[in-house]
Amino acid sequence: SAVISQKPSRDICQRGTSLTIQCQVDSQVTMMFWYRQQPGQSLTLIATANQGSEATYESGFVIDKFPISRPNLTFSTLTVSNMSPEDSSIYLCSVAGGGGYGYTFGSGTRLTVV
Amino acid sequence: ILNVEQSPQSLHVQEGDSTNFTCSFPSSNFYALHWYRWETAKSPEALFVMTLNGDEKKKGRISATLNTKEGYSYLYIKGSQPEDSATYLCAESGGSQGNLIFGKGTKLSVKP
Repeated sequence: SAVISQKPSRDICQRGTSLTIQCQVDSQVTMMFWYRQQPGQSLTLIATANQGSEATYESGFVIDKFPISRPNLTFSTLTVSNMSPEDSSIYLCSVAGGGGYGYTFGSGTRLTVV
Repeated sequence: ILNVEQSPQSLHVQEGDSTNFTCSFPSSNFYALHWYRWETAKSPEALFVMTLNGDEKKKGRISATLNTKEGYSYLYIKGSQPEDSATYLCAESGGSQGNLIFGKGTKLSVKP
């Protein structure tokens, strides 16, 4: 299965600033998923990033707030823009295994906005 | 919209105790059920993927069962050890983008 390197592992940011999270995969993958887990909540899909096309955002998430880049088949970034304390969460990237089984995850970015 | 529910939310057991958690999910349009083990500051680790009604899988002291007709899965840990302390996530392959739909997890703490 793929190995994902996610950075940064944690950060404390001032409200109104932006943070970019990076995920590097050790193999080429078509789709990358970006999830968020707010305190006490489920891991929730923010968007799906495909190389060469615009990311597909889930209901409640917009590109202006969470711009995503996918410059090639092994790399993606998620930016959390104009942060507020409500953005304090764990952010995870993920890729799917073959046949829709066995998803691999990054180690997460724990974001605290003060 | 799929709702995956897990219970209990948290669990505290003594070393050596056996324990189990529940995951319930909508049984219509079922594809696969996933269990993950997630330790703080680490990647969620895949434990099991189950697809067939009646599936039972085992990995060491951990096992899982699946009932797709009634929409539930159980995860069992036999003889819990402190290193089993983690959050156990259940997820269904049901997202419109091929993504997973997660429950909130069960946080297990095993005291020595």
